[in-house]
Amino acid sequence: AQSVTQPDIHITVSEGASLELRCNYSYGATPYLFWYVQSPGQGLQLLLKYFSGDTLVQGIKGFEAEFKRSQSSFNLRKPSVHWSDAAEYFCAVSVLGGYQKVTFGTGTKLQVIP
Amino acid sequence: DADVTQTPRNRITKTGKRIMLECSQTKGHDRMYWYRQDPGLGLQLIYYSFDVKDINKGEISDGYSVSRQAQAKFSLSLESAIPNQTALYFCATSQAEGGYTFGSGTRLTVV
Repeated sequence: AQSVTQPDIHITVSEGASLELRCNYSYGATPYLFWYVQSPGQGLQLLLKYFSGDTLVQGIKGFEAEFKRSQSSFNLRKPSVHWSDAAEYFCAVSVLGGYQKVTFGTGTKLQVIP
Repeated sequence: DADVTQTPRNRITKTGKRIMLECSQTKGHDRMYWYRQDPGLGLQLIYYSFDVKDINKGEISDGYSVSRQAQAKFSLSLESAIPNQTALYFCATSQAEGGYTFGSGTRLTVV
């Protein structure tokens, strides 16, 4: 069965610093990979997705993620964090064919300090 | 108007009561989903529907039921609410190979 691990429950960074959120997945074939962001009191918003092709994916709000098959990872990065990026981030993996089963990680809560 | 609208946003109900959470979408997507979010557990799938005549159980369907009234409407019912169903509930939609579009959620408290 597919699974997603986000090893960091909580991360604190200074505004303007770079950010990397880790995501590891377990699946036999190449999955479809997603990153979502959830602001307090809101639903999840899709930041970016990887289906195939270029392993470096650009998303909204200045985020990018890199798929590394050898490491089964799909880490999310941003070169310079803004205070408005404080939120919870979820990595997700999907298997295509028939039902698009999506498994979500348990989330990483990002705190941004001035 | 939001692409995916959930009502109510907040609800407090008593143990044993029946409650319905509603979801409507303007995305034109065929696929709709109900998820439950608990702190530290991520999102768990309750039910999903690929079209009006297709309803499927997810990982945690016990104690829940759904109705797909139209392509744009998908409601979730708790027939007899219990306290451990206290959670944040999300409706989502998707196309076959896309990411999800989520509603803003319904915060349900069962007392």
